[in-house]
Parts: sequence; structure tokens; C-alpha cells
Amino acid sequence: KAGVTQTPRYLIKTRGQQVTLSCSPISGHRSVSWYQQTPGQGLQFLFEYFSETQRNKGNFPGRFSGRQFSNSRSEMNVSTLELGDSALYLCASSLGTELAYTGELFFGEGSRLTVL
Amino acid sequence: QQPVQSPQAVILREGEDAVINCSSSKALYSVHWYRQKHGEAPVFLMILLKGGEQKGHEKISASFNEKKQQSSLYLTASQLSYSGTYFCGTEADSWGKLQFGAGTQVVVTP
Repeated sequence: KAGVTQTPRYLIKTRGQQVTLSCSPISGHRSVSWYQQTPGQGLQFLFEYFSETQRNKGNFPGRFSGRQFSNSRSEMNVSTLELGDSALYLCASSLGTELAYTGELFFGEGSRLTVL
Repeated sequence: QQPVQSPQAVILREGEDAVINCSSSKALYSVHWYRQKHGEAPVFLMILLKGGEQKGHEKISASFNEKKQQSSLYLTASQLSYSGTYFCGTEADSWGKLQFGAGTQVVVTP
């Protein structure tokens, strides 16, 4: 069973540019969550998508956006990049079925973004 | 709101025990525990649910005090493979929104 796949794995951008990161969840998983990981802040919740709808959003500025497609693949976009956006961006998928709680998250390897 | 984890770091010798704590100011649906080794993705350890049900790891245990909205992860008879950063994740505001603490770095030495 293939795991969560994130692309690209590494990328370097300059301030003011924009970036799009992609996440392919495990087959059959309908929920995709995105996290920003930095050394001092741990895992910061960005947003969660379920069946193409953004169901939850964290406390990030509007420059951070995302979407989910009908095949559950998800993308996140960061516009007008700032130096502080340098981080590891992790995508996680879960079944997102009728459970009354979030089930096990399966994380991808992440996309490491460096903003110069 | 992120849960608060303590301690920030702990160093153990093989065979020793440790406890990692996680607390929230909000009523919780669930508490998750994950471990991340350096350069790798976080890996699921267990879920503790409101009502006491626990699902997860064989050799690492945890508790969930619903009254205090606190969870503790118990590393018993630690092994070298236990080294890594442990994160607790809490689900409080909304189903599907899992927020993580800052992490606890665990180093197990021979």
C-alpha cells in the first residue's frame, strides 16, 4: 500500500515569489491535513480538507491557501513568500469516515521550503 | 490552541522509565501521540478517546484524564529505538482539527 506522497521534496524560492506544494494521500483516505514544522514551533496546523471542502483552518495569514481535488489529492499554496515561511511542510492523510474523532494520521516525508 | 507538553527534553539510559505530559485548556475529543525520528515523518503511536478507550502501541502506554484534560505517555524500560521527538496532538475545537504540542525530545543512551 503506497504511503502519502509529497512533491517536491525540496525547493528554494526568493521573497515575494509563490509556491505550490502537492500531496497524494493514501488510497481511500478522504481527509488531508497540512502542517508547518519549524524547529522552535513544532507542528503548526494549517488546514484540513475533507471531501474537497476545507473543514478546518489554523491561524495562518491568507497567503496560505489550499484545495482538495475529487481524487483526494491536495495542494497548498503560499503567495508572497516571506523569510519566515522557510519550514518543512507536512501533509497527513486519514480515513475521515464516520468516526467521531480524527483517526490515525499518516504523514508524508514533507516538502522542505527555503526562502531566500 | 496548542496543547502544552512537558518536559521539553529528557535523557534516559536504556531500561529507565520516563513520563511525558500533555495538557489542554479545552475539553478534548481525543488525544494522539506521535514519534518523529530525525529526518523522518512523524509516526502514529496511539489515540486516547474521551470515555477511556485507547488504541495503539504495544510497548508504550498512555493515560487520559478527562477531568483535567491531561494526557501522559509512559515510556517503560526504554530502548534505544525510543529516541526521537514525541508529539501529543489534541482534538478540541472541531472534529478533524488536530493540533500538536511543541514536542518532547527523548534521547536514550546505552
